[in-house]
Amino acid sequence: QKEVEQNSGPLSVPEGAIASLNCTYSDRGSQSFFWYRQYSGKSPELIMSIYSNGDKEDGRFTAQLNKASQYVSLLIRDSQPSDSATYLCAVKPGGQNFVFGPGTRLSVLP
Amino acid sequence: DGGITQSPKYLFRKEGQNVTLSCEQNLNHDAMYWYRQDPGQGLRLIYYSQIVNDFQKGDIAEGYSVSREKKESFPLTVTSAQKNPTAFYLCASSSEGQGASLTKTIQYFGAGTRLSVL
Repeated sequence: QKEVEQNSGPLSVPEGAIASLNCTYSDRGSQSFFWYRQYSGKSPELIMSIYSNGDKEDGRFTAQLNKASQYVSLLIRDSQPSDSATYLCAVKPGGQNFVFGPGTRLSVLP
Repeated sequence: DGGITQSPKYLFRKEGQNVTLSCEQNLNHDAMYWYRQDPGQGLRLIYYSQIVNDFQKGDIAEGYSVSREKKESFPLTVTSAQKNPTAFYLCASSSEGQGASLTKTIQYFGAGTRLSVL
């Protein structure tokens, strides 16, 4: 069974620090990788997508992908209290459905 | 204004009752999905549809039914056979892409419907 694993947290970081969120996946055929942010009681919103090895930066967010290690991460620089949420890692193997991890709860402390 | 609309936002089900959750999208996406999320848990796939008039069971389809008569619409019925229906239900859609069109393979979510049992 295809799996996506994340630490459930909570991960607590002080305001202004770098938050590092990690995700591993089991299917080597996976081609597309996503990070979603989900505030309590709300639906997931896409914050990053990445398709090739290396880093992809968008504002304060950087996604890192290492297909050989089957590992994808999300770095949040200059963390703000408004970043406090659950972050879902999602993986899409080619021609198959999205597989979501359980999410990591991030708490940014003022 | 493109997006995915779910209604109602809150829904209450009585014992033995079937209820239907609405999902409409105007993104021209081919694929649509229904997920269930329990408190503190990840997303579990109930049903999905890649094209009109065709749909497939996901991981937890028992007690649920769907239809896909139009590209824009993918309603979910929670039947009385679903004994523990209290959850947050999320509808999503995506436009499948391959090769150079991988950037189209992104899944977007509606605002969700919170279902409770009376």
